Amino acid sequence: EVQLLESGGGLEQPGGSLRLSCAASGFTFSSYAMSWVRQAPGKGLEWVSSISDVGDGTYYRESVKGRFTISRDNSKQTLYLQMSSLRAEDTAVYYCAKVSGGPEYWGQGTLVTVSS
Amino acid sequence: EIVMTQTPLSLSVTPGQPASISCESTQSLLYSDGKTYLYWYVQKPGQSPQLLMYEVSNRFSGVPDRFSGSGSGTYFTLKISRVEAEDVGVYYCMQTLQPPHTFGGGTKVEIK
Repeated sequence: EVQLLESGGGLEQPGGSLRLSCAASGFTFSSYAMSWVRQAPGKGLEWVSSISDVGDGTYYRESVKGRFTISRDNSKQTLYLQMSSLRAEDTAVYYCAKVSGGPEYWGQGTLVTVSS
Repeated sequence: EIVMTQTPLSLSVTPGQPASISCESTQSLLYSDGKTYLYWYVQKPGQSPQLLMYEVSNRFSGVPDRFSGSGSGTYFTLKISRVEAEDVGVYYCMQTLQPPHTFGGGTKVEIK
């Protein structure tokens, strides 16, 4: 059974940093690209970033480029999202997803709140 | 950026009746590998999104056969042949042809 467990969310001040983690199990982690997708309160889904299976390809939406860094540790079967220079508009539930063409399985999400 | 437009915004359906959601993209989602990178998801109340259809018309594991997807190029449709109470939620289309990957705005399905 595929399981994705996000952690690391919380309340952070504008300009601050947070690192999200996503622990994966139930599949060969190193064989799949992974993505982060977020959902602001009461809003729709928004793709944030993706990383290739071996980590040599990374992609970001324009609004997070230069502030967010996606990475993975295949030996630990873990996906990360390092977020810095956080803004109020980054407030959202962040989901990690196993990708097979598109997001296939999703975690339960972790809430990031950026507020003073 | 490829813009995905879903219609309608919401749908109220009597159980047992059909429902249809449309999704239009600003450019063709057909790639040179012959695949069309259009996906459908449903987010049920209080839950994470879950995959319904991949590459336009392929039902994901465990998805009931009352769900079907069709379309090509820039115009796509998700159909529910007979809506059940458990189908309530917000339905999203998504393109993964090129980054930034983009979602439609969502269609909320309610039961009458």
